[in-house]
Amino acid sequence: AQSVAQPEDQVNVAEGNPLTVKCTYSVSGNPYLFWYVQYPNRGLQFLLKYITGDNLVKGSYGFEAEFNKSQTSFHLKKPSALVSDSALYFCAVRDIGDQTGANNLFFGTGTRLTVIP
Amino acid sequence: GAGVSQSPSNKVTEKGKDVELRCDPISGHTALYWYRQSLGQGLEFLIYFQGNSAPDKSGLPSDRFSAERTGGSVSTLTIQRTQQEDSAVYLCASRVGGGVETQYFGPGTRLLVL
Repeated sequence: AQSVAQPEDQVNVAEGNPLTVKCTYSVSGNPYLFWYVQYPNRGLQFLLKYITGDNLVKGSYGFEAEFNKSQTSFHLKKPSALVSDSALYFCAVRDIGDQTGANNLFFGTGTRLTVIP
Repeated sequence: GAGVSQSPSNKVTEKGKDVELRCDPISGHTALYWYRQSLGQGLEFLIYFQGNSAPDKSGLPSDRFSAERTGGSVSTLTIQRTQQEDSAVYLCASRVGGGVETQYFGPGTRLLVL
């Protein structure tokens, strides 16, 4: 079974401060991991993904995420938050060994990030 | 267009009516997904199309839900005899093909069943 947990429904951070949005996953094999962002009344936009290689992945808009296999985590980070980063963030996982063919992603319930001016 | 498009953007219907939601994937993308996003929930996988293969319907919540993909491009998600619990945002995504290519999402259709 594949699943993703985003333990925080809401994260508030002051503008200019570093931000972290947490994600842990569960797969039977090795994971592919993704972060998406959703702005109000918009679809999901791809931020970054981990497939293999360097555990630190850099993505769009200055975001990065670190794959930690021992902790089964893939937390999203940014060194200095902007008010425009305020949005809903989704972590997603797919098991590399998924043989169903659908290759669909399993999403967390989302974390609403609010950056306070 | 360059991205995935969906129509309508908003749909209000009465309980018991049928609705059709449309998705135009990115040109050349052979894989197409439908997801449902309910308030406070993550994205729930509904159905997956890949090329000419039989669709993976394992996520459809009931037989009131069906989807087609004509000509390997445009897809229509149909909900028959809508219920209030069907109210959600329905998102479509497309992907180039197999493997780990990224899914690209449309803006969604916000469905409200009264």
